[in-house]
Amino acid sequence: SQTIHQWPATLVQPVGSPLSLECTVEGTSNPNLYWYRQAAGRGLQLLFYSVGIGQISSEVPQNLSASRPQDRQFILSSKKLLLSDSGFYLCAWSEGLWDGYTFGSGTRLTVV
Amino acid sequence: AQSVAQPEDQVNVAEGNPLTVKCTYSVSGNPYLFWYVQYPNRGLQFLLKYITGDNLVKGSYGFEAEFNKSQTSFHLKKPSALVSDSALYFCAVRDHSGNTPLVFGKGTRLSVIA
Repeated sequence: SQTIHQWPATLVQPVGSPLSLECTVEGTSNPNLYWYRQAAGRGLQLLFYSVGIGQISSEVPQNLSASRPQDRQFILSSKKLLLSDSGFYLCAWSEGLWDGYTFGSGTRLTVV
Repeated sequence: AQSVAQPEDQVNVAEGNPLTVKCTYSVSGNPYLFWYVQYPNRGLQFLLKYITGDNLVKGSYGFEAEFNKSQTSFHLKKPSALVSDSALYFCAVRDHSGNTPLVFGKGTRLSVIA
């Protein structure tokens, strides 16, 4: 069966420090992968999505970047964190156009 | 462009009463529609989806949703609410035309009172 792993679960980082959040999917190949941010426990903002290795689509200009170095690995990065980067980051995957998403358990990032 | 509206930020119901969480959508062509639930500090969990066929879709934990094309709605319902149903609920939509990401509503917080 397919599983999605996202880590770390919580992270406290100082302003100006780098960031790397990792997401991996097991049990499938060539998944569609997504990074979302949820602020204040409410709506989801799509940050990046990828339909294949090296293919990254950015939805919102910001202080973040994403990479997909392997088929089932999706990384969210920042060179210098801002206070406004605080939030709950969710990774998700889907298999095809007609499929819903399966979400990871999320990373709570607090920038101080 | 596709969009989803969840007009209620908060829905309060008494335990044992029926519940409805509203969702309306806008897409070009036929929609794929989804409902997800989120418990505190957790990822979203899939509840149900409408792709095609019967307008009444049954999902997890006794939830169901009715697709209404004329009203462009996909309301989530449950005949008898439980305190454990208290959570944040998201409606999402995608069109059939291409490999576009799901668009999520802002979420509705459901509170079931004992």
